Amino acid sequence: EADIYQTPRYLVIGTGKKITLECSQTMGHDKMYWYQQDPGMELHLIHYSYGVNSTEKGDLSSESTVSRIRTEHFPLTLESARPSHTSQYLCASSDGKAAPSHNEQFFGPGTRLTVL
Amino acid sequence: KNQVEQSPQSLIILEGKNCTLQCNYTVSPFSNLRWYKQDTGRGPVSLTIMTFSENTKSNGRYTATLDADTKQSSLHITASQLSDSASYICVVSDRGSTLGRLYFGRGTQLTVWP
Repeated sequence: EADIYQTPRYLVIGTGKKITLECSQTMGHDKMYWYQQDPGMELHLIHYSYGVNSTEKGDLSSESTVSRIRTEHFPLTLESARPSHTSQYLCASSDGKAAPSHNEQFFGPGTRLTVL
Repeated sequence: KNQVEQSPQSLIILEGKNCTLQCNYTVSPFSNLRWYKQDTGRGPVSLTIMTFSENTKSNGRYTATLDADTKQSSLHITASQLSDSASYICVVSDRGSTLGRLYFGRGTQLTVWP
């Protein structure tokens, strides 16, 4: 079992609320990622980070923002949640020093977000 | 366009039976291919990884194959168990970026009935 944690596991909130999804890993990995996954669909990369103070947008446009102040922590924030943000959000990390051919991403359990 | 296609979309089998899941990809330049298992409400967990030079890899009752020429992979599950019920996702990594970008299939939803 990978040492990567996400909280909360489930969140139901009203439109317009500000939320932060937490992600922490204890493996000392440099690279961290946020994915969005809808039922029956593939994972889409929305944010990633090469290390502290590094954040980049992924393939799927997202209104969320991320920060990377500490190696182990990579929170995702939505300033004003909308029903279109309802989805599962998965955090992952990988060892930036590993050879690219074996650079495995370890996933957290996910946060299921529902915006009413 | 880099893509990963999986078939079938869903599969129901009886406990103890074998099954094979398929994956076709167009990702280039190819780095490696992984099969992940994702239980409902959980994050994906890696089952196998294969690089260009490997054509088969086993992990217990799971055996993955890779044909890099035809860009096809399969995951064979032997003697299925109820706990095998999950989504199986084919994930291909390219070596064209420092990020090690992953391309995900939509998964095959496997249900094992007693």
